[in-house]
Amino acid sequence: EVHLLESGGGLVQPGGSLRLSCAASGFTFTDYAMSWVRQAPGKGLEWVSAITISGDNTYYADSVRGRFTLSRDNSRNRVYLQMSSLRAEDTALYYCVNSGWSDWGQGTLVTVSS
Amino acid sequence: EIVLTQSPATLSLSPGERATLSCRASQSVNKFLAWFQQKPGQAPRHLIYDASTRATGIPARFSGSGSGTDFTLTISNVEPEDFAVYYCQQRSNWPLTFGQGTRLEIK
Repeated sequence: EVHLLESGGGLVQPGGSLRLSCAASGFTFTDYAMSWVRQAPGKGLEWVSAITISGDNTYYADSVRGRFTLSRDNSRNRVYLQMSSLRAEDTALYYCVNSGWSDWGQGTLVTVSS
Repeated sequence: EIVLTQSPATLSLSPGERATLSCRASQSVNKFLAWFQQKPGQAPRHLIYDASTRATGIPARFSGSGSGTDFTLTISNVEPEDFAVYYCQQRSNWPLTFGQGTRLEIK
């Protein structure tokens, strides 16, 4: 059974940093690109970032480019989203999802507030 | 960035009726359009990819059609468990984008 377990969320002040982690199991991690999708409270889905299987290529939404960095460790079946210069509008539930798009984690909540 | 516009914002139907949800792209996405269903407190559920292919385990009452810029998700006979929010997503160009959602509510 596929499991994607996000962690690292929490309360952070504007301008601060957080690193989200996603631990993957139940599938061949190196067969899939990985993405993060977020959802602000009461709002719709927003794709945030993706990384290719090798990790050589990353892609970002305009709203986070230059502030977020996505990486992966294929030896540990994990992806990491380093978030810096956080803003109030980054407050959301952050989901990890593989490129099959059928398997999602439960999400980790990031709250940016003073 | 490709903008996806979904309509209507809210669709009110009774169980057993046919639901037709629209998604329009600001430029061609070829066939690379997907649909998701989301219920309160749950992660999105992958319904359709490549415009018309049902994801694993999705009932046949869900069907997708379209190409280029205009796409449709049809639920042929709405069941009580189908009342939810539906999102389209394009996978043609980076950055990937989602539509703003259509809420299917009970009439």
